[in-house]
Amino acid sequence: DADVTQTPRNRITKTGKRIMLECSQTKGHDRMYWYRQDPGLGLRLIYYSFDVKDINKGEISDGYSVSRQAQAKFSLSLESAIPNQTALYFCATSTTRGLAVLGGTDTQYFGPGTRLTVL
Amino acid sequence: GNSVTQMEGPVTLSEEAFLTINCTYTATGYPSLFWYVQYPGEGLQLLLKATKADDKGSNKGFEATYRKETTSFHLEKGSVQVSDSAVYFCALSVYNTDKLIFGTGTRLQVFP
Repeated sequence: DADVTQTPRNRITKTGKRIMLECSQTKGHDRMYWYRQDPGLGLRLIYYSFDVKDINKGEISDGYSVSRQAQAKFSLSLESAIPNQTALYFCATSTTRGLAVLGGTDTQYFGPGTRLTVL
Repeated sequence: GNSVTQMEGPVTLSEEAFLTINCTYTATGYPSLFWYVQYPGEGLQLLLKATKADDKGSNKGFEATYRKETTSFHLEKGSVQVSDSAVYFCALSVYNTDKLIFGTGTRLQVFP
């Protein structure tokens, strides 16, 4: 079974609709992330959460909101979808446990992605 | 600021050819550097990483050396296979955080 799962895997919706993308993980990691991938732009961070009560905006949070329902679940919502939100969305996890004293990020583990099309 | 620049693709090679994908970075502090790979229809997987200057990360025949003097982390493989066809992303960690900054990705196509 996959450690990081995303639902749905594909979604087509219309402008103005509310959409929720869900991410679940069985890795026991405390940190979770949402990215979007666009051709030629790489991955850009939308929101990240270091713990259930710690949620932070990333590089491109406008038009999105998130909810960390439990340590294992992190949902991304588009309150009113627009066509330029058409993209591939990835959830990722990481853990602070076992980090070296000097810090630096730990490896992030990605889900399989959700392809969202907004018409 | 922090940023990653990698060569544009696609890179097209014949099987058993030598591969180099260039990656340079700008960063404050002491970032860790990563190469992630994305196979068709899948999410990103960590390929290799290096956490300090002169470290060499290696995995599956790929390797990259953290060069602080040239701010580079070029990916190399001596003999590519068709199964290596994928998109490769260079990334750095923002110092003392878990945030990753990604390059735009380089598509590699290997033909038999």
